Amino acid sequence: AQSVTQLDSHVSVSEGTPVLLRCNYSSSYSPSLFWYVQHPNKGLQLLLKYTSAATLVKGINGFEAEFKKSETSFHLTKPSAHMSDAAEYFCVVSERGAGSYQLTFGKGTKLSVIP
Amino acid sequence: DAGVIQSPRHEVTEMGQEVTLRCKPISGHNSLFWYRQTMMRGLELLIYFNNNVPIDDSGMPEDRFSAKMPNASFSTLKIQPSEPRDSAVYFCASSLGSGTETQYFGPGTRLLVL
Repeated sequence: AQSVTQLDSHVSVSEGTPVLLRCNYSSSYSPSLFWYVQHPNKGLQLLLKYTSAATLVKGINGFEAEFKKSETSFHLTKPSAHMSDAAEYFCVVSERGAGSYQLTFGKGTKLSVIP
Repeated sequence: DAGVIQSPRHEVTEMGQEVTLRCKPISGHNSLFWYRQTMMRGLELLIYFNNNVPIDDSGMPEDRFSAKMPNASFSTLKIQPSEPRDSAVYFCASSLGSGTETQYFGPGTRLLVL
C-alpha cells in the first residue's frame, strides 16, 4: 500500500526567501510523483511531475523537486518566494496496482508569503 | 481549449434532495476523475473512469453516491438522498491516461446541504 505524508500543514516564509515544502512517500514499486498547487477557490494545477526520468524535476513558476529514493522523499523547493506563491500545495503518488493506477494525495501544505 | 467544465458552480439544497453534478472533460482525454474536498478530510478521490468505464470506485462513500459516464464527453456524480455531511467542493479532472499523466482540474462545484 502506498501513502504520502506532507510533513507541514502550514509553512510561512517572507517574500524573497527560499521555500521548502516537504513530502515523504511509501510505495511498493516505482511510483510516479506529482506536486499540484491550489489557489483559493480554484481547482488544482500541476506544478511538476516525476516519472522515472531525471531525479531533479523542474516545474512552472520556478519550482523544482528532487526525487530521493533512499530517503523516500520528494520535497518541493523554490529559491525565492513571491506573493503569488501563496496557495495550498499537494504531493501526490501514483502507483500501478492490479489492473489500475492508485492515486494518493497528501493532506496539503498551506504556504503563506509575508511581504 | 475550454478546459474541464463543471456545472453547477454552486449548489444549495436541502437534506434528502437529489443532487446531480456534471462534468465535461477536455476533448480527447480518456480518463476522468471525481474528487471531494473538505476541511476535515482534505482531497479524496471518489472514482475514476478510463475510456468511459469505472476503474476504481473504492473512494465512493456509500450507496447514496453514484457516478456515470455515458460517453467520452460527459459524466455525472449523483447524491441521493443528500445529507449535510455531503457538503464539500467536488472536483472533476481529466487526463490523457490514468497513472502518470497530468490531470487537469475543473473549477469545482461547491455543494451545501442544509
